[in-house]
Amino acid sequence: GEDVEQSLFLSVREGDSSVINCTYTDSSSTYLYWYKQEPGAGLQLLTYIFSNMDMKQDQRLTVLLNKKDKHLSLRIADTQTGDSAIYFCAESGLTGGGNKLTFGTGTQLKVEL
Amino acid sequence: DAGVIQSPRHEVTEMGQEVTLRCKPISGHDYLFWYRQTMMRGLELLIYFNNNVPIDDSGMPEDRFSAKMPNASFSTLKIQPSEPRDSAVYFCASSLGTGTSYEQYFGPGTRLTVT
Repeated sequence: GEDVEQSLFLSVREGDSSVINCTYTDSSSTYLYWYKQEPGAGLQLLTYIFSNMDMKQDQRLTVLLNKKDKHLSLRIADTQTGDSAIYFCAESGLTGGGNKLTFGTGTQLKVEL
Repeated sequence: DAGVIQSPRHEVTEMGQEVTLRCKPISGHDYLFWYRQTMMRGLELLIYFNNNVPIDDSGMPEDRFSAKMPNASFSTLKIQPSEPRDSAVYFCASSLGTGTSYEQYFGPGTRLTVT
């Protein structure tokens, strides 16, 4: 079945860039997503990228997709303390006609002063 | 739109009791998902519906769990009888479905504690 993997923790200093990485196995993925979960809250969609794109930029967020290596990354520029959260990578494959998403384990980002 | 609404936000119950979690999806969305999140197992998909019909319930842990969607604006997840290992945060999510980019919108979750 599909599998999505992420590293568990990342610590950065305020003002630096953060890069959160994700690998997936489903070559039929059509869309890939990044979600953010703050303590005590649900998952919030940050951005997504269509599988025929290499890059998508949205203000401080840059998503890079290497479809050949099945590698997705999220870069957060000028990381702030408010960016501290758990970040989930997810992919939409053929299962369920694309509607069933497979989520990674989440990467906990800690931003230090 | 108010987003996905879940109730209650917190539930504390004793082992053996019945627990019912409720969800109201975003209006117009035709897919509804129930997830469970724990430290040990992360985010697990329990069941999902399309146009009120259960499509895949392979993630439901056992017969103690059941989910219904009587209409497009309401779904329930019931645990009977509840056990301490059911303690988790339960999320409901909805999406617009085929023809879109399939993104799911999550509710705030129900934190369930079974003592």
